[in-house]
Amino acid sequence: EIVLTQSPTTMAASPGEKVTLTCRASSSVSYMHWYQQRSGTSPKLWIYETSKLASGVPNRFSGSGSGTSYSLTINSMETEDAATYYCQQGSSYPNTFGAGTKLELK
Amino acid sequence: EVQLQESGPGLVKPSQSLSLTCSVTGYSITSNYWGWIRKFPGNKMEWMGYISYSGSTSYNPSLKSRISITRDTSKNQFFLQLNSVTTEDTATYYCARGRIIGGYFDYWGQGVMVTVSS
Repeated sequence: EIVLTQSPTTMAASPGEKVTLTCRASSSVSYMHWYQQRSGTSPKLWIYETSKLASGVPNRFSGSGSGTSYSLTINSMETEDAATYYCQQGSSYPNTFGAGTKLELK
Repeated sequence: EVQLQESGPGLVKPSQSLSLTCSVTGYSITSNYWGWIRKFPGNKMEWMGYISYSGSTSYNPSLKSRISITRDTSKNQFFLQLNSVTTEDTATYYCARGRIIGGYFDYWGQGVMVTVSS
């Protein structure tokens, strides 16, 4: 199974700061998907197929990467972006998730 | 709008079976894929398996001997059964719609917390 390693595990960012979260796969995958989960709610699809923003996601978010290295970037951190972000690959059986990056507001 | 809602007991005894229902509104389960994903205390997430639009299934090999996913198309529901549970199956269980192209999950239920304890 493909192991996804997210870094950092936790981080804090100030409003307006640029944020980059990374996800590394143990083998090459075709796409990476990202989910945002706020405390007490279910995960929401945030970025799919590496770089496509899900419906309603602000355009300060972007996704990029290929092969084994992927990233989610927030151009300018806002209060509402504080959450845990998970990466997930569905191109190799079985589907797997990363352990998540908890992003806090500084 | 596509909506999913999990239901089932919140407490299961060790060695018994865990059974959950996912009720879907706004979309037919005879299209796309319908999966179960769980999140353990400590935040690890695990894909458990799915049932396809045709009724075929795919399971995580870590669960293959214990899991069954079935459906009732007349009620637009699908089901999870996990046998011989242990305390390590304590988790929040989510149902979700899966997209075969890309393999992502675009609609999720609100989740149901299941505790395995005697």
